[in-house]
Amino acid sequence: GAVVSQHPSWVICKSGTSVKIECRSLDFQATTMFWYRQFPKQSLMLMATSNEGSKATYEQGVEKDKFLINHASLTLSTLTVTSAHPEDSSFYICSATSGTGQPQHFGDGTRLSIL
Amino acid sequence: KNEVEQSPQNLTAQEGEFITINCSYSVGISALHWLQQHPGGGIVSLFMLSSGKKKHGRLIATINIQEKHSSLHITASHPRDSAVYICAASIIQGAQKLVFGQGTRLTINP
Repeated sequence: GAVVSQHPSWVICKSGTSVKIECRSLDFQATTMFWYRQFPKQSLMLMATSNEGSKATYEQGVEKDKFLINHASLTLSTLTVTSAHPEDSSFYICSATSGTGQPQHFGDGTRLSIL
Repeated sequence: KNEVEQSPQNLTAQEGEFITINCSYSVGISALHWLQQHPGGGIVSLFMLSSGKKKHGRLIATINIQEKHSSLHITASHPRDSAVYICAASIIQGAQKLVFGQGTRLTINP
C-alpha cells in the first residue's frame, strides 16, 4: 500500500528554536499534502493544504509566518515551526494524496515538545 | 452541531464481540473515510467509501448516501483492534479537505 514517511517522529527543543518536519510520499506522487495538528484526546485540526509548486493554503487562525510550509517536489513537503514556544507543543501529522478522488495516506506523526 | 458526528465516543467490549461504530454527516460529500489511530499516533486509512459496502478482513464499512450515515463494523474483535476510529468526510467542492468526526475510542478486553 501507499506509504508516507514523516520525520522526525519525536523532537524536544528549547523555546525559540525553529523545527523542521518532513513528509515524504515513498511510492507515489503526492500532488497535495495536508498538515494537521492534534491536541491530546482531540481530533485532527487541518492547518494547511499544500500543492506541489504553489503556495500553501492556510486555515483560518493558522499563522503562515509561524508555520512555514514548502512543497517543492511531488514527494516532499516540509513544515517549519519558526521560533517555537511551549504552546506550539503538539502532535503534528501530515497526509498525502495523488489527486482528487484518491485516498489520503497519513504519516506516523511528529510529537513536538518545546521546553 | 458538528458536520460529522460519531457515536459512541467510547466503547469497551470483550474479545470476540461484534463492534459497530456509527457516523452521521450533514454535508454533501464525495467520499467517506474510516481511519484508525493507534496510541502512538500514527493513522491508517481503513476505507474510503462513496456508496455501498466494503470489506477488508474482519472490518466492514457501509454507507447510506440518502440517510447520510455510515457504519464501521468489526467482527470477532481482538485486543489489537483497540484504537481510536475516526470518520472523516471529503466535502464536495472542499478541495480534498477532510472534515473529521470526534473519534471513537475502542477498547477490547481479553
